[in-house]
Amino acid sequence: GAGVSQSPSNKVTEKGKDVELRCDPISGHTALYWYRQSLGQGLEFLIYFQGNSAPDKSGLPSDRFSAERTGGSVSTLTIQRTQQEDSAVYLCASSSRRNTGELFFGEGSRLTVL
Amino acid sequence: TQLLEQSPQFLSIQEGENLTVYCNSSSVFSSLQWYRQEPGEGPVLLVTVVTGGEVKKLKRLTFQFGDARKDSSLHITAAQPGDTGLYLCARGGAAGNKLTFGGGTRVLVKP
Repeated sequence: GAGVSQSPSNKVTEKGKDVELRCDPISGHTALYWYRQSLGQGLEFLIYFQGNSAPDKSGLPSDRFSAERTGGSVSTLTIQRTQQEDSAVYLCASSSRRNTGELFFGEGSRLTVL
Repeated sequence: TQLLEQSPQFLSIQEGENLTVYCNSSSVFSSLQWYRQEPGEGPVLLVTVVTGGEVKKLKRLTFQFGDARKDSSLHITAAQPGDTGLYLCARGGAAGNKLTFGGGTRVLVKP
């Protein structure tokens, strides 16, 4: 498809397990962002990629969170030893401009930690 | 601490009524974007404002950027049920980095 694709759309896991969330940005978009959204709230910035490098990872809440991007395309957000407070919708967005322009968002991955 | 404050947090109105949503900050914006998010979807850009005092119209939606570039408002005229959603303002940072979002205003337009 032409839009940002995220998978899985829904993930239920047990506390302490690791999870991987995937984002496939719009082809040709060099910038990729991960945000987290708790129920009905605004978006919390996690990390930003320009190409394969992450010049801003200031929003990652703890060292249990990590992300990588390969080939300037697909990105994976990994959460180790999940906790209940990690439950949220994780949104990925991509942008075609080096300066902050319009962000195109995926539909998100809803994570529930039991 | 949120850099962008949105108010109100929730607004419920009848179809045909008008509404205004506000976005405020103590610091100057270089630019401001408004997004709308529907349930189960990602946010979608409505407009970008960059000039103090700027007014932009998108059908029944009117966006205003304050003269001092510290505040913005979104006004919807004759709201319709299709306007229901979460309205988010977002400010840009230095070149190449993230957008910072406000907490959002949830709008419910009842038929």
